[in-house]
Amino acid sequence: GAVVSQHPSRVICKSGTSVKIECRSLDFQATTMFWYRQFPKKSLMLMATSNEGSKATYEQGVEKDKFLINHASLTLSTLTVTSAHPEDSSFYICSARDARGTMNTEAFFGQGTRLTVV
Amino acid sequence: GQQLNQSPQSMFIQEGEDVSMNCTSSSIFNTWLWYKQEPGEGPVLLIALYKAGELTSNGRLTAQFGITRKDSFLNISASIPSDVGIYFCAGQGGSSNTGKLIFGQGTTLQVKP
Repeated sequence: GAVVSQHPSRVICKSGTSVKIECRSLDFQATTMFWYRQFPKKSLMLMATSNEGSKATYEQGVEKDKFLINHASLTLSTLTVTSAHPEDSSFYICSARDARGTMNTEAFFGQGTRLTVV
Repeated sequence: GQQLNQSPQSMFIQEGEDVSMNCTSSSIFNTWLWYKQEPGEGPVLLIALYKAGELTSNGRLTAQFGITRKDSFLNISASIPSDVGIYFCAGQGGSSNTGKLIFGQGTTLQVKP
């Protein structure tokens, strides 16, 4: 399957600072990338849909000013957690879909980023 | 909104046993996907189903896309210790086809050697 690389895999930051997480599609181009958040022993919760060259679409209840998404190229989307607080600590996962596929083409996931805010 | 109900929530089985888990939805999907997630990792795609009634195998794994397009099951035959993990179903497409995935709650599988 296609390869999606997420970086960093783990990050610890202080309260009030911002953290950037990168999601790259390594062997395909992705017009759409998705960002998820996962709490321990819970399912993946979609935060936003990132579209190359346009604004991200956020799910209800997700603060767009808190979670900034940039999808500047067909192979890179970034999620920035601004002014992080301990309650933002979580496992963040991105996924990407091949631009050549249809709307029902399966998406491939990155390895995830464990964010801990202290 | 669309929701998926996945069951069972967890399973603890003996090595060699067969496993079955399923997902149901209140609305239809065009694609059903089954993923496995191990601790600290992202989900890995196991099987993708694209047509109602489709039955697909991947090694010891077999999954089916329900005729009504509102359900799917995953079977694992002759389980082994490395099958341990969390299995998620996901639906894609349907009446509001934005391409995003809706996930089930997950089934945690533990295999006793």
